[in-house]
Amino acid sequence: ETGVTQSPTHLIKTRGQQVTLRCSSQSGHNTVSWYQQALGQGPQFIFQYYREEENGRGNFPPRFSGLQFPNYSSELNVNALELDDSALYLCASSPGMGGRVYGYTFGSGTRLTVV
Amino acid sequence: QQQVKQSPQSLIVQKGGISIINCAYENTAFDYFPWYQQFPGKGPALLIAIRPDVSEKKEGRFTISFNKSAKQFSLHIMDSQPGDSATYFCAASKSGYSTLTFGKGTMLLVSP
Repeated sequence: ETGVTQSPTHLIKTRGQQVTLRCSSQSGHNTVSWYQQALGQGPQFIFQYYREEENGRGNFPPRFSGLQFPNYSSELNVNALELDDSALYLCASSPGMGGRVYGYTFGSGTRLTVV
Repeated sequence: QQQVKQSPQSLIVQKGGISIINCAYENTAFDYFPWYQQFPGKGPALLIAIRPDVSEKKEGRFTISFNKSAKQFSLHIMDSQPGDSATYFCAASKSGYSTLTFGKGTMLLVSP
């Protein structure tokens, strides 16, 4: 059991640029969710993918987009970066839609700083 | 709109004491209430969870108390240890949805 792996761990980007964050879900988990955690705040749901389809979206603009691949790994893409996008981005995986039964396994996150 | 309100923001407890963190929710559609523990530089990890058909759930030193009529739930950490020092988040999700709505977190420091 390898857990959830996120890359890179830290990233600095300039306002207006685009960024791609990557997540390898835990073995056997086919549901991936992405959360944004601003400093001193709780994680906020961005979107979820189940079997390569978007399965729910939080209150984030369309410049936040994602993908899930056949091996259930996932990407989060953010276009036209704004200063407020600076945050810890967390990926969480669960088996099927079993997050409410088995809990989510979170990665350690990618710390994005927009300057 | 903050759907899950958590207090206190920070908490200092002596070793061996009881740590208590409280959460309140507004949406009666929530029916699953987990607590997550987060250490610096790590992602949140599931600690314990409860559903509203029970008023209390205990796992080791950790207990969730749930008051459905008041729409409140709390985490009690008995015999708190320095290794419990972390940020704790309450969360909630609705029936039919697996996404989580988190509180703002409580930073717990257990002094030796």
